[in-house]
Amino acid sequence: DVKVTQSSRYLVKRTGEKVFLECVQDMDHENMFWYRQDPGLGLRLIYFSYDVKMKEKGDIPEGYSVSREKKERFSLILESASTNQTSMYLCASRIGGDADTQYFGPGTRLTVL
Amino acid sequence: AQKVTQAQTEISVVEKEDVTLDCVYETRDTTYYLFWYKQPPSGELVFLIRRNSFDEQNEISGRYSWNFQKSTSSFNFTITASQVVDSAVYFCALRSSNTGKLIFGQGTTLQVKP
Repeated sequence: DVKVTQSSRYLVKRTGEKVFLECVQDMDHENMFWYRQDPGLGLRLIYFSYDVKMKEKGDIPEGYSVSREKKERFSLILESASTNQTSMYLCASRIGGDADTQYFGPGTRLTVL
Repeated sequence: AQKVTQAQTEISVVEKEDVTLDCVYETRDTTYYLFWYKQPPSGELVFLIRRNSFDEQNEISGRYSWNFQKSTSSFNFTITASQVVDSAVYFCALRSSNTGKLIFGQGTTLQVKP
């Protein structure tokens, strides 16, 4: 079974803090993704990575950056957290290829005060 | 532009009722993939089904069935004899073979009451 883990289920930070969200997958997947989920908006793609040290912007990259130094790990960074970044963050991974399915982690609910 | 619309924000049914979750998509691609995911209260999205645009066969898996109709750009999901454990948020998603991105609908919250 594919396993995608995220470092925290719940996180509370203050405005202006630097926040790191970590995601690890154990299936040697090429592609990894970060989404945020907000009520009424579904999931929106923040960043994704096709391979180590490669990254591409998704639909809402502003205020975020990412790091992929190892294949199994994909980090989402909030350089200076703001209250409008309070959300559920979901990480996903997939092997690659056209039809392949994305598998999701349990999510991190981040609150920025 | 690509878009997925789940017009039903919330649905409430009583156990053992059948329920259909609607999904309508927009894309200009000839090759694309459609997905359904379930998000229980625990938060993790669970993959349910993937369909490619060339396969319009309906599929049944236990109490779950999916109706894919290209003519109406719909990929509806039916739960037969619903159970309390079916209570969750259900997302429909579209993946274009051109962009590789997964576009999600807004989600439908299903509540199954005992």
